[in-house]
Amino acid sequence: NAGVTQTPKFQVLKTGQSMTLQCAQDMNHEYMSWYRQDPGMGLRLIHYSVGAGITDQGEVPNGYNVSRSTTEDFPLRLLSAAPSQTSVYFCASTPRGTGHQETQYFGPGTRLLVL
Amino acid sequence: KNEVEQSPQNLTAQEGEFITINCSYSVGISALHWLQQHPGGGIVSLFMLSSGKKKHGRLIATINIQEKHSSLHITASHPRDSAVYICAAPGRGSQGNLIFGKGTKLSVKP
Repeated sequence: NAGVTQTPKFQVLKTGQSMTLQCAQDMNHEYMSWYRQDPGMGLRLIHYSVGAGITDQGEVPNGYNVSRSTTEDFPLRLLSAAPSQTSVYFCASTPRGTGHQETQYFGPGTRLLVL
Repeated sequence: KNEVEQSPQNLTAQEGEFITINCSYSVGISALHWLQQHPGGGIVSLFMLSSGKKKHGRLIATINIQEKHSSLHITASHPRDSAVYICAAPGRGSQGNLIFGKGTKLSVKP
């Protein structure tokens, strides 16, 4: 199994551009989530999904959209990039829908720089 | 909302030393997580525990539910243990999501 994969590894955007961060898992996990990691702060939840067709907002959802059309994929869309979205983004998954009671599997991260 | 605090923020140790990292949380939980973030950035889950103690190799995690406190111990530390160690607890009313501490950066010198 490849586990959780993320693309791209690194991206530079200009303010106002849009892009999609890709996340996929091949473990048939129900729960998937997106986090951002900023210096001096803990990982913060952006959006999550407890199954295909179901998504919900986390702690810092503004400026981001998600969809979950399949169990495997959970893309994160930046609608109009802003410098405040410069961060490292992690995708994670757990087997069932109760993320906090299960082992977390993380992707390798995407480093995003918005100029 | 659950608040998760870690201490210390930074820790430097000599190879072979016994290391303790602490985590406290404000709301009763079902499970607490310890994770390791490698210098290259990757994050792996080390432990998930709801009571008592768990051991994996040289790593030991303990939790005291009444005191809302958990510790991660590393015995006979080695330079390859250098990493950021993160604890996480369920957020209150969060439908299963986690609140993460800011992490403890450990550096083990040879």
